[in-house]
Amino acid sequence: DSGVTQTPKHLITATGQRVTLRCSPRSGDLSVYWYQQSLDQGLQFLIQYYNGEERAKGNILERFSAQQFPDLHSELNLSSLELGDSALYFCASSVSSGVSTDTQYFGPGTRLTVL
Amino acid sequence: QKEVEQDPGPLSVPEGAIVSLNCTYSNSAFQYFMWYRQYSRKGPELLMYTYSSGNKEDGRFTAQVDKSSKYISLFIRDSQPSDSATYLCAMINTGGFKTIFGAGTRLFVKA
Repeated sequence: DSGVTQTPKHLITATGQRVTLRCSPRSGDLSVYWYQQSLDQGLQFLIQYYNGEERAKGNILERFSAQQFPDLHSELNLSSLELGDSALYFCASSVSSGVSTDTQYFGPGTRLTVL
Repeated sequence: QKEVEQDPGPLSVPEGAIVSLNCTYSNSAFQYFMWYRQYSRKGPELLMYTYSSGNKEDGRFTAQVDKSSKYISLFIRDSQPSDSATYLCAMINTGGFKTIFGAGTRLFVKA
């Protein structure tokens, strides 16, 4: 158990809908990272937050957004969902800012299915 | 062309075999190299981390980086059925905040 928690574990929804994925980092970790893992694209970095501020952005679509709250938990919002958004979404956390050579600890993931 | 190339396998070996997993990359700015292991239905976990070229050993695992060839390897000695998982290589460039992952190689170790 990495100490990173993600809810929900599974999410099934329809095209055009909006969902929110939640992540709680390990105790003491200030950085949260979001990744998308699909069969055809592999593990793709989406976005990183450090202590409430956006730190780095990867291949995140404009339909997706994230934030990190004062208690350091983070939410990833996915809107206008398309079939291609079906994937595993992982959250990871690390101790410090964004020297991204910090060890990242991954949560168990949220499996999103868009029908 | 992807920045990081990794053969997805699957790779099937008998218990006790030496396993060699590899990645190639195109971005010469990559300085930090990692190997993650991902069991089915779990998140990736960091196995090995190396900086720049050279070798690093940790128990049955050895990571090698050859920057001149843009090639990294992970060797697993005395492989066990519990090593059956997907192994992902990952890289970060200097001053970068973005980790680039390979596609992952599925490994099966048969008892």
